Amino acid sequence: AQSVTQPDIHITVSEGASLELRCNYSYGATPYLFWYVQSPGQGLQLLLKYFSGDTLVQGIKGFEAEFKRSQSSFNLRKPSVHWSDAAEYFCAVALFSGGYNKLIFGAGTRLAVHP
Amino acid sequence: NAGVMQNPRHLVRRRGQEARLRCSPMKGHSHVYWYRQLPEEGLKFMVYLQKENIIDESGMPKERFSAEFPKEGPSILRIQQVVRGDSAAYFCASSLGTANQPQHFGDGTRLSIL
Repeated sequence: AQSVTQPDIHITVSEGASLELRCNYSYGATPYLFWYVQSPGQGLQLLLKYFSGDTLVQGIKGFEAEFKRSQSSFNLRKPSVHWSDAAEYFCAVALFSGGYNKLIFGAGTRLAVHP
Repeated sequence: NAGVMQNPRHLVRRRGQEARLRCSPMKGHSHVYWYRQLPEEGLKFMVYLQKENIIDESGMPKERFSAEFPKEGPSILRIQQVVRGDSAAYFCASSLGTANQPQHFGDGTRLSIL
């Protein structure tokens, strides 16, 4: 069955430090992959997506993610974290059926940023 | 604001009452998805609708939950005879409809059951 695993429930980093959030997926075909960010009490904002082509994708707010088929991973990175990046981050894979897709989400990683 | 609009933002109901959650998709989007987020969990797919049609309701509980997306007006998620376990955040997303179009999410409705 299709699934998404985010191994880290909570991560704390210092402001200015680099960040990597892990995401592993299980999907039989070529996946469409997404990273969303959720601030407290808010909806989900799309950070970046991978459909095909270059395996390193750039997103908003200085984030990037790399698709590694051999490892079934799509890890999110940022070279220097800002305090405003504190939020919850969700990785998702699109499950296709009949011309539409529904998203399978991981459980999320909550990021705290120390000054 | 041209984004996905959900209302109300917060909804409090007593056990046994009905909850109606509304979602207006982004302009030009005719495909609507509903997801539920239980406390400390990720989002779970509930239902996918196009105008006047339910396409996929595989994630909907079999009883008490229903959804519609009429020709005119917002999509509605209805929960009848609510129970404590229905307390969650309910998110609506919309897309242009082709499979490779990303979904855009609203800010959600936080449902609390007393």
